[in-house]
Amino acid sequence: NAGVTQTPKFQVLKTGQSMTLQCAQDMNHNSMYWYRQDPGMGLRLIYYSASEGTTDKGEVPNGYNVSRLNKREFSLRLESAAPSQTSVYFCASRREEQETQYFGPGTRLLVL
Amino acid sequence: AQSVTQPDIHITVSEGASLELRCNYSYGATPYLFWYVQSPGQGLQLLLKYFSGDTLVQGIKGFEAEFKRSQSSFNLRKPSVHWSDAAEYFCAVGHSMNYGGSQGNLIFGKGTKLSVKP
Repeated sequence: NAGVTQTPKFQVLKTGQSMTLQCAQDMNHNSMYWYRQDPGMGLRLIYYSASEGTTDKGEVPNGYNVSRLNKREFSLRLESAAPSQTSVYFCASRREEQETQYFGPGTRLLVL
Repeated sequence: AQSVTQPDIHITVSEGASLELRCNYSYGATPYLFWYVQSPGQGLQLLLKYFSGDTLVQGIKGFEAEFKRSQSSFNLRKPSVHWSDAAEYFCAVGHSMNYGGSQGNLIFGKGTKLSVKP
């Protein structure tokens, strides 16, 4: 099992460019999450998907869109990147019976 | 609103010394509580969790945490710190009930960075 995988590992964008961050899990989990991590802020929830076909906003959804493509994959899209979106992005999936979230290795995004 | 407070931004301990990282939460019911660890440049790894039952929980890497309802706390402890424990530690609270589909969502504290002196 690879667990939760994220691509790319690192990306540099110019202001206004768009990109999609990919996340996949092979643990057959129903729930998936996108977080951003900024220094001194901990992790903040951007969007989550409780099951295939559903998505909901978290604490900081502005400037982002998500797609739950199937049970395995949950992507995060920045339509017009801004410097304020420079951050480390983590994807996670949840094993319901243990109420535990498992995290991917992260994507480091720099917006110039 | 639910919240998690980790009062210490940065702690430095000597190798072999004991460690306690503080975590206080605000939640309307008995929450699910978690401690995660993040090594530099890495993702988050679950150390331990509390759902119910025994208020002292054991985790990986020799860590333990104690849930104290009266103090709304879930402090992380280790009796003897190793240099490899240097990392950032996050406390998180999760919904124990289904609030409009948000069951399982986590609220994280801002983290405590642990440095270990030789």
